Amino acid sequence: DIQMTQSPSSLSASVGDRVTITCRASQSISTYLNWYQQRSGEAPKVLIYAASSLQSGVPLRFSGSGSGTDFTLTISSLQPEDFATYYCQQTYSTPSITFGQGTRLEIK
Amino acid sequence: EVQLVESGGGLGQPGGSLRLSCEASGFTFSSYPMNWVRQAPGKGLEWVSYISSRSSDIDYAESVKGRFTISRDNAKNLLYLQMNRLRAEDTAVYYCARLIRNRSGSLYYYYMDVWGKGTTVTVSS
Repeated sequence: DIQMTQSPSSLSASVGDRVTITCRASQSISTYLNWYQQRSGEAPKVLIYAASSLQSGVPLRFSGSGSGTDFTLTISSLQPEDFATYYCQQTYSTPSITFGQGTRLEIK
Repeated sequence: EVQLVESGGGLGQPGGSLRLSCEASGFTFSSYPMNWVRQAPGKGLEWVSYISSRSSDIDYAESVKGRFTISRDNAKNLLYLQMNRLRAEDTAVYYCARLIRNRSGSLYYYYMDVWGKGTTVTVSS
């Protein structure tokens, strides 16, 4: 099975900050990497697919990069609605899919 | 409006059974693979099971293999998860999610673009 490891597990930041979350795969997954945002009490929402493609309707302050085993999600200028938990997900081994353990982004 | 609505959650006994349903609307359900994803209290997301659009391909996480069965009824726009031999560690919110395929050049990429609000399963005596 492909394991996904995110860092950090939690992060405190302020509105307007630039934030980067990383995700590492246990083997190469090319660019079969997606990022999701989950606000408290809500279902997850896809932000980025194929490592760097922005899902329709997602603000341009979100961006993704990487390939192989190392990936990043960057939020260029944090907004109040961005405080949430973020998950990476590999679909290289679809239908067997795995998520990272999550990164909780909190207000400083 | 594209929508998924889960139902069937509740209190289950250890060793018992529950059947979850997910009703799809607003899109051609029979064209899309579907998944179940769960989230234990205070924990992260865990993929549970996958079913292809015509049920020809099915897969499960190791943690539920042999106990859970995924199925679908395309005529009724319904996805199911039959959960047998329940364990305390199956306690979670269960989400159904549509898997979409997007083409980029010569490659196809998959991601979960529509999710339900979830149904809560609690396994306890």
